[in-house]
Amino acid sequence: GAGVSQSPSNKVTEKGKDVELRCDPISGHTALYWYRQSLGQGLEFLIYFQGNSAPDKSGLPSDRFSAERTGGSVSTLTIQRTQQEDSAVYLCASSQARKNYGYTFGSGTRLTVV
Amino acid sequence: DAKTTQPPSMDCAEGRAANLPCNHSTISGNEYVYWYRQIHSQGPQYIIHGLKNNETNEMASLIITEDRKSSTLILPHATLRDTAVYYCIVSPDRGGSNYKLTFGKGTLLTVNP
Repeated sequence: GAGVSQSPSNKVTEKGKDVELRCDPISGHTALYWYRQSLGQGLEFLIYFQGNSAPDKSGLPSDRFSAERTGGSVSTLTIQRTQQEDSAVYLCASSQARKNYGYTFGSGTRLTVV
Repeated sequence: DAKTTQPPSMDCAEGRAANLPCNHSTISGNEYVYWYRQIHSQGPQYIIHGLKNNETNEMASLIITEDRKSSTLILPHATLRDTAVYYCIVSPDRGGSNYKLTFGKGTLLTVNP
């Protein structure tokens, strides 16, 4: 597609359940990033994938959070045993590494843990 | 640690130029200045970036001081649709090892009719 696609756009889940958030980056973009944005807050870096390199997981807030990127394209962010503080908009972005273009962000997944 | 300082909010009249300042006094020689904006309920949008020369594209102009310790994003003719949070970010170029962008709190620009 022309842009970064994220699904679902909205997700309501019960506390303690696991959720999976999906990101389809722009075709040909080798770098993929996950951020989250809590209500009224700035963007918090979570994880970064670049090609076949080991991902930079330094932003993941706990071991309940994990992400993978299959075939260098689609990425899935998984949150296990969700907590209310996990409620946020989860944003995915992709970019062409080695070119000084900006990131292209998706519209995000709004996660609400009740 | 965002490494940049921006005013929390600014107002601008529709049709006038909006000048958004950013201080980045600790910028390194290989770090670019990036600007993004985030319109309410949307993902951030890339605007422009530069290293040391002034840059212009269809969205905005970027003026970087000679010592590179500050910059100004200029929207030449602001419209109501330019109301957004504007983020100024410094980041190494793509040849570096640290690609992630660190977003601060940004400047909420409100364009008034």
